[in-house]
Amino acid sequence: NAGVTQTPKFQVLKTGQSMTLQCAQDMNHNSMYWYRQDPGMGLRLIYYSASEGTTDKGEVPNGYNVSRLNKREFSLRLESAAPSQTSVYFCASELSSYEQYFGPGTRLTVT
Amino acid sequence: AQSVAQPEDQVNVAEGNPLTVKCTYSVSGNPYLFWYVQYPNRGLQFLLKYITGDNLVKGSYGFEAEFNKSQTSFHLKKPSALVSDSALYFCAAAGGGNNRLAFGKGNQVVVIP
Repeated sequence: NAGVTQTPKFQVLKTGQSMTLQCAQDMNHNSMYWYRQDPGMGLRLIYYSASEGTTDKGEVPNGYNVSRLNKREFSLRLESAAPSQTSVYFCASELSSYEQYFGPGTRLTVT
Repeated sequence: AQSVAQPEDQVNVAEGNPLTVKCTYSVSGNPYLFWYVQYPNRGLQFLLKYITGDNLVKGSYGFEAEFNKSQTSFHLKKPSALVSDSALYFCAAAGGGNNRLAFGKGNQVVVIP
C-alpha cells in the first residue's frame, strides 16, 4: 500500500517549456487535489477532482490544466512554464470529510 | 470565504516543555478542523482532526488539540516537546458544504535541546 505517489520528485524547466506532473493513489479515494506550496503562503489549491470524470478550479488555476485519467490517477500539466510557477507541488487524495493524504511532492524550478 | 490564521511564524520551545501552536479559523456552518505536520523535504502528514464530539482531540505522536467554538480556535498542544517534533505545522479547516480545505500559512516549531 504505497498511498499517494508523485513523479517526478524534482524538475527544472526553462521558461516556455511544458511538463506533466503525475499523481496516483491506491486507497480507492474518490476525491483528489493539486496544491502548490510557497514559503509563507501555506498550501494553495490549484485544481481538484471530486470524482472520476470531474475537475474543478481551485484558488490558483491560471497556467495549469488537469486530467483525472481514472479513479487512481490525477495529472497536472503546465503548458508554458513561467518562473512564477517555481514551487513545490503536492497531490492529495481524500478519505472522507476533508481528511486528506498527501504525496511526497514535486520540487519544480522554472528558469 | 473560509480562512485559517496561524499568527506565529515560528515557535521555539525547550525540550521537555509544553508546546502550543495556535490556530483560529473562519468557516460557514460546523467546522471540520485538522492539523498536519511536515518534516523537511516531505509531504504533509495527518496528525488529528475534529469533526464533532469531545472538544479535546487526541492524535498521533502524543499531540492533542482543543476545539473552542466561542473563540473559533483549534490550538495544537503537546505536554512535553521532543527535539524530533521540530517541523512545520499546518492547521486546516473546511465547512458549510464547501469541499475545499483551507490551510493556514504554517508554523515552524523549533525544539531546543
